[in-house]
Amino acid sequence: DAGVIQSPRHEVTEMGQEVTLRCKPISGHDYLFWYRQTMMRGLELLIYFNNNVPIDDSGMPEDRFSAKMPNASFSTLKIQPSEPRDSAVYFCASSNWAVSPDTQYFGPGTRLTVL
Amino acid sequence: SQQGEEDPQALSIQEGENATMNCSYKTSINNLQWYRQNSGRGLVHLILIRSNEREKHSGRLRVTLDTSKKSSSLLITASRAADTASYFCATVHSGSARQLTFGSGTQLTVLP
Repeated sequence: DAGVIQSPRHEVTEMGQEVTLRCKPISGHDYLFWYRQTMMRGLELLIYFNNNVPIDDSGMPEDRFSAKMPNASFSTLKIQPSEPRDSAVYFCASSNWAVSPDTQYFGPGTRLTVL
Repeated sequence: SQQGEEDPQALSIQEGENATMNCSYKTSINNLQWYRQNSGRGLVHLILIRSNEREKHSGRLRVTLDTSKKSSSLLITASRAADTASYFCATVHSGSARQLTFGSGTQLTVLP
């Protein structure tokens, strides 16, 4: 089975530009999580969805960040406008409540650099 | 914000030796998990221990949990160079729905 798929793997953009990160969870998983990892702050949960519905977005740093999950197989994290302090690795993870509710499967991440 | 701290921040050992990493957390938990992250890659789930368990084994991994001290340890026996990675503990709080809160991680280097 394919794992969690993220695209792009690397993104370099200039300050002020819009950035869209994409995630395809493992088929059949009903939870989807977005994390951000930096040296200074470690791994932070940004938002998570259950059955495509956002449950907790308290980790989203500011209004410049938004996330959507239009269907069970696709989610996006958008930053508009981007700033240099948004540079980080962004991970998407998914889990299956029925099988193992708390075990999360992570994608390879998107390394974002905002110049 | 991070739930807890891991100790040590970095650990360097020789192949064949055992590696022990510790994790402390702050609030009551439902379970605690350990994840591994190789450089430039995503996290991989290693093992989960529930709050009513004290010890769990999986292959060369042994995890202990002391809820009275709010701490856990991960022991990797007979380490290999391929074990070189960062190791994170993650907790699910009691009452929280499915959120993992990660520790700061231990960078393990196993020298051949």
